[in-house]
Amino acid sequence: GNSVTQMEGPVTLSEEAFLTINCTYTATGYPSLFWYVQYPGEGLQLLLKATKADDKGSNKGFEATYRKETTSFHLEKGSVQVSDSAVYFCALRGSAGGTSYGKLTFGQGTILTVHP
Amino acid sequence: NAGVTQTPKFQVLKTGQSMTLQCAQDMNHEYMSWYRQDPGMGLRLIHYSVGAGITDQGEVPNGYNVSRSTTEDFPLRLLSAAPSQTSVYFCASSYSKRRDTDTQYFGPGTRLTVL
Repeated sequence: GNSVTQMEGPVTLSEEAFLTINCTYTATGYPSLFWYVQYPGEGLQLLLKATKADDKGSNKGFEATYRKETTSFHLEKGSVQVSDSAVYFCALRGSAGGTSYGKLTFGQGTILTVHP
Repeated sequence: NAGVTQTPKFQVLKTGQSMTLQCAQDMNHEYMSWYRQDPGMGLRLIHYSVGAGITDQGEVPNGYNVSRSTTEDFPLRLLSAAPSQTSVYFCASSYSKRRDTDTQYFGPGTRLTVL
């Protein structure tokens, strides 16, 4: 079945530092890939997505590129802010033709804390 | 639009009690689903529905029932609560399963504790 593996956390950074959160996946076919963010006490919000190989998703200064050759979708931001402190989830949605079509599979989440 | 709403926000149950977690969306979404979130395990799919009258099991369905009598509502029932069901529950919806409209919108969550 499909699976998503995220780098172990938590991650603690100083403001304006560079952020990378690694995400790799296992899936058949051509899944869509997502990053969701969960701020304290809230539900998940879509941060960015990519639906085919070599697509780059971007939003709020965050970027991730769909790399089929390395089955990866690493999240990056050049300069983090205190307000970016949250839990980040990598996820994939199964492609047509498979038993996992339409279902979201999540990684375990990475807690990011940014200090002033 | 209110988006995806969930009630209650918090709930404490005793082992063996039953309850229903409510979920509603006002976006006319076909696809609705329930997840549970546990520390270090991400979100796991419990049940999902692709339209009114149609439901199916996800990754961890045992101990939970669902029904979908209308497009808007997708309640999750715990028939006999167990401590292992202590978790945060999220409801989500999306327009359909098509890849070009496959963003899922999440509710704020219900934090359930079973004693």
